[in-house]
Amino acid sequence: NAGVTQTPKFQVLKTGQSMTLQCAQDMNHEYMSWYRQDPGMGLRLIHYSVGAGITDQGEVPNGYNVSRSTTEDFPLRLLSAAPSQTSVYFCASAAGLSSYNEQFFGPGTRLTVL
Amino acid sequence: AQRVTQPEKLLSVFKGAPVELKCNYSYSGSPELFWYVQYSRQRLQLLLRHISRESIKGFTADLNKGETSFHLKKPFAQEEDSAMYYCALSLNTGFQKLVFGTGTRLLVSP
Repeated sequence: NAGVTQTPKFQVLKTGQSMTLQCAQDMNHEYMSWYRQDPGMGLRLIHYSVGAGITDQGEVPNGYNVSRSTTEDFPLRLLSAAPSQTSVYFCASAAGLSSYNEQFFGPGTRLTVL
Repeated sequence: AQRVTQPEKLLSVFKGAPVELKCNYSYSGSPELFWYVQYSRQRLQLLLRHISRESIKGFTADLNKGETSFHLKKPFAQEEDSAMYYCALSLNTGFQKLVFGTGTRLLVSP
């Protein structure tokens, strides 16, 4: 059981480039989410999904797109990277949709936009 | 608006000393609160949640609705407790949307 996996671990982009951060989970979890972690700001929710085909915006969605075609995968797309998107990105998943449920986090992707 | 405040960026104590990591929240709904921990080179993971009223690794946290607080406590700190601790509020939306505090780094010295 790999849990939540994220690729790549590190990425450097130039301003204006696009890329996709991959996230997968093998726990058959309904709920998946993306957070960004910036110094002094904790983790902030970017987008989330409550099941295949269903996504919604979190606190800081601008500049990011998501889709959920399968239960397992929840990729995060940066359409045109900006230096303000330099951050550490975490994917998380949770079983069921109860607000009490534990979220399981991936190892993170450290993104630098020059 | 909902908010979680952790006033201390760094808390440094000696082994065996009591520890209290502070967390205050602002939320108009019924709060569901969690403590997550990130040890060095490990993933962020759940430490405890208020609904369970449990003690994990000697840590406890009590929800005080009057003071809107959910402080994390341990009577005797251990070196292996050194980590980054995040308090998180789950919005009562029918599924889990977490609002995190900015985190407190706990450093336990021998």
